[in-house]
Amino acid sequence: SQTIHQWPATLVQPVGSPLSLECTVEGTSNPNLYWYRQAAGRGLQLLFYSVGIGQISSEVPQNLSASRPQDRQFILSSKKLLLSDSGFYLCAWSVWQSLATNEKLFFGSGTQLSVL
Amino acid sequence: DQQVKQNSPSLSVQEGRISILNCDYTNSMFDYFLWYKKYPAEGPTFLISISSIKDKNEDGRFTVFLNKSAKHLSLHIVPSQPGDSAVYFCAASTPGGTSYGKLTFGQGTILTVHP
Repeated sequence: SQTIHQWPATLVQPVGSPLSLECTVEGTSNPNLYWYRQAAGRGLQLLFYSVGIGQISSEVPQNLSASRPQDRQFILSSKKLLLSDSGFYLCAWSVWQSLATNEKLFFGSGTQLSVL
Repeated sequence: DQQVKQNSPSLSVQEGRISILNCDYTNSMFDYFLWYKKYPAEGPTFLISISSIKDKNEDGRFTVFLNKSAKHLSLHIVPSQPGDSAVYFCAASTPGGTSYGKLTFGQGTILTVHP
C-alpha cells in the first residue's frame, strides 16, 4: 500500500534562517507531488506541484522553493525565512492523470512551522 | 482573495443529530467540489465529492448538496457520531486543474459531536 512520510511534525525557526522540509512517498511510481500551506485563518493553498523529477511548477510568488531530486521525494526549501512563512505545511501525492484524481489526493501529516 | 470560504470556524452538535457544514465559493469556473476531513496530527483525508452537473451526492451518512446559482455547497452528516469530530475542509477545482490535484481549499470548520 502507498504511504507518505513528512517530517518534522513541528519546527520553530528564527527569521532569516534556512528551511528544508522533506516528503517521501512509498508504494507508487511517478506520482504527482504537491506542497500546500495553511496560514492562520486561511484555507489550504497550493504552493508547488511536480509531475516528474526536476519538474516544478509554482502557484504563487513567494520566499520558498521546491525540488524533486528523486521520483518519490519532494523538498520544500527557503534560504531565509520570513515571519510570513509561518503556517501548516502539507505534502500530498496523487495518481498521474487518474480520472478520479481529486479523490486520490493523499496528504501527509503536515509540519507546523513557526518563524519567530 | 479567498475563493472558497467556510464562514463558520466551529460547529457543536449532539450525537445522533444532523451536522450541517457550509461552504461558499466565488469562482464560477469551479466544476468539482470535495470535502476532506482532518484529525489532529494527521493529514486531511477525502470524504465525499460532487460534480457541478449534480446537485446532490450521498455516501452513507454523508450527503453533499450543491447550489450553483448561490455558489454554495453543504455537507450533511446524519446521524452525527463522536468519531465525526474533526476539522472539515471544503475544496474546489476548475477544469484542467483536476488532473493535477490543484485544489482551492476553505479555511476549515471544526466539528465537535458531543455524546
